[in-house]
Amino acid sequence: GAVVSQHPSRVICKSGTSVKIECRSLDFQATTMFWYRQFPKQSLMLMATSNEGSKATYEQGVEKDKFLINHASLTLSTLTVTSAHPEDSSFYICSGTPGLDPVLGETQYFGPGTRLLVL
Amino acid sequence: EDQVTQSPEALRLQEGESSSLNCSYTVSGLRGLFWYRQDPGKGPEFLFTLYSAGEEKEKERLKATLTKKESFLHITAPKPEDSATYLCAVQAREGGGGSRLTFGEGTQLTVNP
Repeated sequence: GAVVSQHPSRVICKSGTSVKIECRSLDFQATTMFWYRQFPKQSLMLMATSNEGSKATYEQGVEKDKFLINHASLTLSTLTVTSAHPEDSSFYICSGTPGLDPVLGETQYFGPGTRLLVL
Repeated sequence: EDQVTQSPEALRLQEGESSSLNCSYTVSGLRGLFWYRQDPGKGPEFLFTLYSAGEEKEKERLKATLTKKESFLHITAPKPEDSATYLCAVQAREGGGGSRLTFGEGTQLTVNP
């Protein structure tokens, strides 16, 4: 159990375009979802936290107008990178936590990641 | 501010050569300490959660232990397929922020046949 999927797994886009990444919890309800980015040889950097039906909470230094997060249901969150530029190229990873699930608890379960390349 | 420091940064072992990875942490009240495994180009895979000092958990060749200041991930008789980056993360008992994790930089483990 506790499987998270992401789509697409890889995307290449032109500078100035917008890209949407989907994150789905397949076998549990994710009360909270998180979005991270990871640069080569570095650890995960939290970008934002979102609860279903609420506005996302962004980490300091993350532009909320550039990285739009929608958590429309307990199984789906989306990250839209608006007007993407080459410096936005990175590995984006989402995670979900069941929260009140007595077995799965508050462990974060991660998706497989999305590799974004902006040309 | 919560901090997690992992050592060593990289570790090379021969198949069958047991060793330990270290995770030192400072947190304003520990809610949980998590170990994940990450393969290149993939998302982290959950391994263990530890909640209190003295707790131990095992899974195949891996055993995680926890004290009030650090956690160890012991790898017994590793195999090449254990090669990966191992990430440690802490979750604090904070009023808001839910299940937020603070990650260490990871230990890149290579097991040679």
